[in-house]
Amino acid sequence: NAGVTQTPKFQVLKTGQSMTLQCAQDMNHNSMYWYRQDPGMGLRLIYYSASEGTTDKGEVPNGYNVSRLNKREFSLRLESAAPSQTSVYFCASSETPSARQYFGPGTRLTVT
Amino acid sequence: GESVGLHLPTLSVQEGDNSIINCAYSNSASDYFIWYKQESGKGPQFIIDIRSNMDKRQGQRVTVLLNKTVKHLSLQIAATQPGDSAVYFCAERDDKIIFGKGTRLHILP
Repeated sequence: NAGVTQTPKFQVLKTGQSMTLQCAQDMNHNSMYWYRQDPGMGLRLIYYSASEGTTDKGEVPNGYNVSRLNKREFSLRLESAAPSQTSVYFCASSETPSARQYFGPGTRLTVT
Repeated sequence: GESVGLHLPTLSVQEGDNSIINCAYSNSASDYFIWYKQESGKGPQFIIDIRSNMDKRQGQRVTVLLNKTVKHLSLQIAATQPGDSAVYFCAERDDKIIFGKGTRLHILP
């Protein structure tokens, strides 16, 4: 099993450009999450999907949208990137919303 | 609101010594706690967990201690090795998982 995979690993965007971060899990988990991690700070929840067909805002949802494409895939979209969105983005999944989470390797995004 | 925090942002330990990483939590309703390890350039990885009906749990070279009276969680790593160098996060669960900011463990040769 690959676990949680994320693409791309690295991305550089100019301010105002858009992009989608992809995440997939092969553990048949119901719940999936998107976090951002900034230097000196912990993981901050952007959006989550408790189960297929549902999505909810986390702590820092502004500037992002998500799509739970199917049970395996959960994508994060930046419609108009801003320098404040420079960060490392982690996708995670769990069997249920309260179960321990498994993380992907991360996407390092720089917005200039 | 509830928060999970760590006493020290950086901990330096001599190779071979034991490491103790501490975590305070504020939500007395939390019933499950997790420690994650994050190596440079990688995503967090599960190390060990403990439920609130326990006060100690041991894994391979790691032990988690839970003191519900003072709302304190610790991770002990025995015989610390260079490969233990990482950021360690604690997390607590009430109805959702909340992550702390992390402690960086630095191994001295």
